[in-house]
Amino acid sequence: SAVISQKPSRDICQRGTSLTIQCQVDSQVTMMFWYRQQPGQSLTLIATANQGSEATYESGFVIDKFPISRPNLTFSTLTVSNMSPEDSSIYLCSVAGPLREQYFGPGTRLTVT
Amino acid sequence: GEDVEQSLFLSVREGDSSVINCTYTDSSSTYLYWYKQEPGAGLQLLTYIFSNMDMKQDQRLTVLLNKKDKHLSLRIADTQTGDSAIYFCAESISPGTYKYIFGTGTRLKVLA
Repeated sequence: SAVISQKPSRDICQRGTSLTIQCQVDSQVTMMFWYRQQPGQSLTLIATANQGSEATYESGFVIDKFPISRPNLTFSTLTVSNMSPEDSSIYLCSVAGPLREQYFGPGTRLTVT
Repeated sequence: GEDVEQSLFLSVREGDSSVINCTYTDSSSTYLYWYKQEPGAGLQLLTYIFSNMDMKQDQRLTVLLNKKDKHLSLRIADTQTGDSAIYFCAESISPGTYKYIFGTGTRLKVLA
């Protein structure tokens, strides 16, 4: 299994600002994913980030609001832009294993005031 | 449609067995997973089952799959206080995309 770290672990931000979340993996992986978990809710996939191509966004999520970078096979960033209180959530990155299992980072807890 | 349902809460006494249930609607799912989320943490993969299996056992964990009823369950034997967490089932749909649909999550509380 992969070991995944995320930075920051938590942040409190003002509305209208942007936050970039980093995801680092200890091995090279092809597929990485970004999820949002709103308070008390399940996980919702934001986008799939593959190295060398643009991220693929799910319905309801757009690149202008959640730009993603994937510069190499061990690293990705997710930016939450022009934040509002509705963006307060836990943001998690994950990577795919050979049996389509996913391994998750510890998450970034974002509060927007 | 794609929908994965779980009961919201389950409370058991320490030492008893816990059974967490999940129903899904996508009959094309090929892999199904169980994840555990402890407070303030990410998701930890507990176990998985292929759609051509009926049962899988892994130490204290037993997964049962009823494809006809689209029902998945996770049994935890000899439940401990450290098992208190939220448990999510997930199905892998669309063979080429690795996309998951997560269940609503079941909060398990183990009483000492």
